[in-house]
Amino acid sequence: DAKTTQPNSMESNEEEPVHLPCNHSTISGTDYIHWYRQLPSQGPEYVIHGLTSNVNNRMASLAIAEDRKSSTLILHRATLRDAAVYYCILRDVLTQGGSEKLVFGKGTKLTVNP
Amino acid sequence: EAQVTQNPRYLITVTGKKLTVTCSQNMNHEYMSWYRQDPGLGLRQIYYSMNVEVTDKGDVPEGYKVSRKEKRNFPLILESPSPNQTSLYFCASSPTGFNQPQHFGDGTRLSIL
Repeated sequence: DAKTTQPNSMESNEEEPVHLPCNHSTISGTDYIHWYRQLPSQGPEYVIHGLTSNVNNRMASLAIAEDRKSSTLILHRATLRDAAVYYCILRDVLTQGGSEKLVFGKGTKLTVNP
Repeated sequence: EAQVTQNPRYLITVTGKKLTVTCSQNMNHEYMSWYRQDPGLGLRQIYYSMNVEVTDKGDVPEGYKVSRKEKRNFPLILESPSPNQTSLYFCASSPTGFNQPQHFGDGTRLSIL
């Protein structure tokens, strides 16, 4: 199974950039890397996803290592509303039968200090 | 408004009493999925459905059933609930599968006594 490894927690100051790392050394060539976040008392929320190239959207940027064994979610200017648990997720395809399931890591709890 | 709706939001019940948590989406999505979230374990997938009448097991399917008779609905059934199924449950949907953003519901907190 393709798994992800993230730090349990990180801390940042408001208005500063935040780099959230994710290791996925067993990623396969066709696995996409997705990031979600979960604010307190809410369901997870999609942030960004990518395959090989770096990606940008209005919420964040995703930097993917050349060997694809790691990636970094970048919040350019953290705000208090960005305090959440951030999950790095890979598509996980079983070889038998072609079934498909999702594997969430335990996530990184981001604390943003005023 | 595009949304995934779960009901009930909260439920306290007793061991062995069958219950169903409903999930409905109004986005015409083909892919739907159920997760449970427990402290220290993160989100774990229970079942997923790639389309109507197509369902498959996730990481923790034991003790649960699902059905997908129509595209918009994906109920989670606990035939004989036990205390170890006390958890926070989330339903999610996406247009055609994992490699697209998933929309999550607001969650259902189940307590099995």
